[in-house]
Amino acid sequence: EAGVTQFPSHSVIEKGQTVTLRCDPISGHDNLYWYRRVMGKEIKFLLHFVKESKQDESGMPNNRFLAERTGGTYSTLKVQPAELEDSGVYFCASSQEWQGVTDTQYFGPGTRLTVL
Amino acid sequence: EDQVTQSPEALRLQEGESSSLNCSYTVSGLRGLFWYRQDPGKGPEFLFTLYSAGEEKEKERLKATLTKKESFLHITAPKPEDSATYLCAVFSWGGGADGLTFGKGTHLIIQP
Repeated sequence: EAGVTQFPSHSVIEKGQTVTLRCDPISGHDNLYWYRRVMGKEIKFLLHFVKESKQDESGMPNNRFLAERTGGTYSTLKVQPAELEDSGVYFCASSQEWQGVTDTQYFGPGTRLTVL
Repeated sequence: EDQVTQSPEALRLQEGESSSLNCSYTVSGLRGLFWYRQDPGKGPEFLFTLYSAGEEKEKERLKATLTKKESFLHITAPKPEDSATYLCAVFSWGGGADGLTFGKGTHLIIQP
């Protein structure tokens, strides 16, 4: 079974440019999460999709970040315009909750974003 | 707000030297506590989920335990390939967010 995949693995952009990150969850997983780790800090939650619906976007830092999950499959996270403080590693995770039990979140390899 | 504190930040052991990593947590109703392993340049790799105090889980040289305030990851007779950063995360009913709350991790180095 294929795991969570993310593209690109690395992205280097100039301040003010736009970047789009993509995540493909494990097939059949309805739940998709985005997280971010900035240097020296812990991994932090950004938002949660259930199928194509945003369940919780309380962790999104500001309105320069836009996440979508069309058709309930892959997801994209767009940063526009990018600022220096957006640099970090962006992780995607997916899970399949069932019967109300908290299911394990499986993580992708991450996208390392550097904003110059 | 949920909080997770891991200690030590870094730990260097000789091959075969057993030890424990600590994860202290504060949550409003624990749904689950997770341990992940992360290698450089990779995403967190799932190890264990613990749901209630007194629960224990084992996998090879690793054993995770849970109390109402903390979790331990015991490493028995470690090998160099056990070197990694070990992350603890919690998922709660009243944390206010749908995602996991992570600690900063323990960077473990096993010397041959």
